[in-house]
Amino acid sequence: AQSVTQLGSHVSVSEGALVLLRCNYSSSVPPYLFWYVQYPNQGLQLLLKYTSAATLVKGINGFEAEFKKSETSFHLTKPSAHMSDAAEYFCAVSELSEKLTFGTGTRLTIIP
Amino acid sequence: DTEVTQTPKHLVMGMTNKKSLKCEQHMGHRAMYWYKQKAKKPPELMFVYSYEKLSINESVPSRFSPECPNSSLLNLHLHALQPEDSALYLCASSQGTRTELNEKLFFGSGTQLSVL
Repeated sequence: AQSVTQLGSHVSVSEGALVLLRCNYSSSVPPYLFWYVQYPNQGLQLLLKYTSAATLVKGINGFEAEFKKSETSFHLTKPSAHMSDAAEYFCAVSELSEKLTFGTGTRLTIIP
Repeated sequence: DTEVTQTPKHLVMGMTNKKSLKCEQHMGHRAMYWYKQKAKKPPELMFVYSYEKLSINESVPSRFSPECPNSSLLNLHLHALQPEDSALYLCASSQGTRTELNEKLFFGSGTQLSVL
């Protein structure tokens, strides 16, 4: 069965600092992995996806994530945090089925 | 047009009411989804329609009844809901072939439902 675990329900970083949001997955087959962002009172927006091509995936808004099979991880990073990055971030996994399984989310707060 | 439009944005209903949530997309997507999201929780899949046919029902109670009148529209009919059904209901769409269903989901902004 597929699942993702997001370490840290809340992460706070200073504006301009590195953002690191952690995601570990469990999957019986090579997975599709995703990061979605949700701003207050909004739906979810896709940041980036991994589909077995390049292991380093670049997404929108300066975010990127690296697929590490040996660590079963897909951590999300951004070199320099901006105030507008404050939001809820969800890691998700799909095993080529119709079902996307979300992690429990990480709330990112940016400190001015 | 890359939007998924949901109406209404907010809905308050009593436990004996009948109401409907509506979702519309004009991206030519052939898969459409309903998700339920409780506060501070991840979205939970309720239903998937693929090519206007119900392909997944995640054991959702019958007081929730989905309908896909055509490839652009998705409804969720609500009847005799319980207070614990209060949540944000999100609609999403994607390209729609089986292997690509999760390539990219486009989400609407949701309907915030309160059941009194």
